[in-house]
Amino acid sequence: TQLLEQSPQFLSIQEGENLTVYCNSSSVFSSLQWYRQEPGEGPVLLVTVVTGGEVKKLKRLTFQFGDARKDSSLHITAAQPGDTGLYLCARPGLSNTGKLIFGQGTTLQVKP
Amino acid sequence: DTAVSQTPKYLVTQMGNDKSIKCEQNLGHDTMYWYKQDSKKFLKIMFSYNNKELIINETVPNRFSPKSPDKAHLNLHINSLELGDSAVYFCASSPGTAGHGYTFGSGTRLTVV
Repeated sequence: TQLLEQSPQFLSIQEGENLTVYCNSSSVFSSLQWYRQEPGEGPVLLVTVVTGGEVKKLKRLTFQFGDARKDSSLHITAAQPGDTGLYLCARPGLSNTGKLIFGQGTTLQVKP
Repeated sequence: DTAVSQTPKYLVTQMGNDKSIKCEQNLGHDTMYWYKQDSKKFLKIMFSYNNKELIINETVPNRFSPKSPDKAHLNLHINSLELGDSAVYFCASSPGTAGHGYTFGSGTRLTVV
């Protein structure tokens, strides 16, 4: 299956806490993208990971691609209210059409 | 300059009406898409065009008809609107079809009453 499962579905934390969001699949994928979507806006690309075991950092966000390229995680250190939003992972579809298959998303709320 | 712009932002209409959503990108990308986001925030592809040619039609009812007059524009026309068509529709673009990241528009919230 090409489906992506994200967990947790919802997360509500206090400012300053750390958190990790997971994106899993039963099949191998060539690459994985993470997006953040704020209310009333379209998703914005945060990062693309391509190589198994790859780690990328974007300020307080750390993205990891699993060694077997079946899973990925997003870790946020010292979360801030500005991190609030819907986090989506996405993988390319099987055919070379540009199609992305999205996970169902993790809604993060960071309270001040 | 907005990279991917879609209009209108909000659309409220009665069942049975026909409506259009327009999308334009100024990024020089070759590939454009329409995605539908349901009430549970799940994003699902509807159509994809590469250099004005349709390459994905993801089992969407034929009441939905995309049109790409050139590679910078992709419009979506919907006939005989139904209650179940209510959703947020996103236009997006990417440099090509090789698994590139997307640039999304800000969405059109369609409400059918």
